[in-house]
Amino acid sequence: VKLVESGGDLVQPGRSLRLSCVASGFSFEDYAIHWVREVPGKGLEWVSGISWSSEKIGYGGSVKGRFIISRDNAKKSVSLQLNSVTSEDTGLYFCIKDLAGELSSLTGFDVWGQGTTVTVS
Amino acid sequence: QSVLTQPPSVSAAPGQKVAISCSAINFDNGNYYVSWYQEVPGSAPKLLIYEDNLRPSGIPDRFSGSKSGRSATLDITGLQTGDEATYYCGTWYSGVNAGFRFGGGTKLTVL
Repeated sequence: VKLVESGGDLVQPGRSLRLSCVASGFSFEDYAIHWVREVPGKGLEWVSGISWSSEKIGYGGSVKGRFIISRDNAKKSVSLQLNSVTSEDTGLYFCIKDLAGELSSLTGFDVWGQGTTVTVS
Repeated sequence: QSVLTQPPSVSAAPGQKVAISCSAINFDNGNYYVSWYQEVPGSAPKLLIYEDNLRPSGIPDRFSGSKSGRSATLDITGLQTGDEATYYCGTWYSGVNAGFRFGGGTKLTVL
């Protein structure tokens, strides 16, 4: 069971970036997928989540209206489009498998990728 | 604003027990389940507890979770030096601005 992120880079404020996550080893189409970021000294912050069917999507308050999450079950992949980035978006972005298929009270994160680093400067 | 509050740090000696608390502030949704994560420096976080008190396979029973009212607790018994890490609680908030909330994290030092 594995999640591999890519796309992290150094980007200027106001620009865009696209992160990707490819899954293997499990029935990708059955589970919700999330992005969580970590800023050193500030802990973990949930960024976005998408249900198995893409019907339910959620965003954290600090990225709502700027980031867009999507998934392709045929390709076992999830993408996170980062728009109008600021220095506050700098961090290590993890792609994560949910225990459940929906975004719900049962949400928990059982498989984490190694992360991809976004630096806005 | 709905937040989860954890103590910034706890410490205990090897072999001892430690409890890490997680308090839900302004959570007006009825049913919510707490999960716990362990983050060792240089590694991705790992799920320790889900649905308040369930352990994924491979997690030793030295780690246990409980919840009472608006407060959850992670207990770690038989502390080992390898348990030194930052521990986060988290839960799905289903109110206005629904989303997953993490606590601020608790740094465990095994003296």
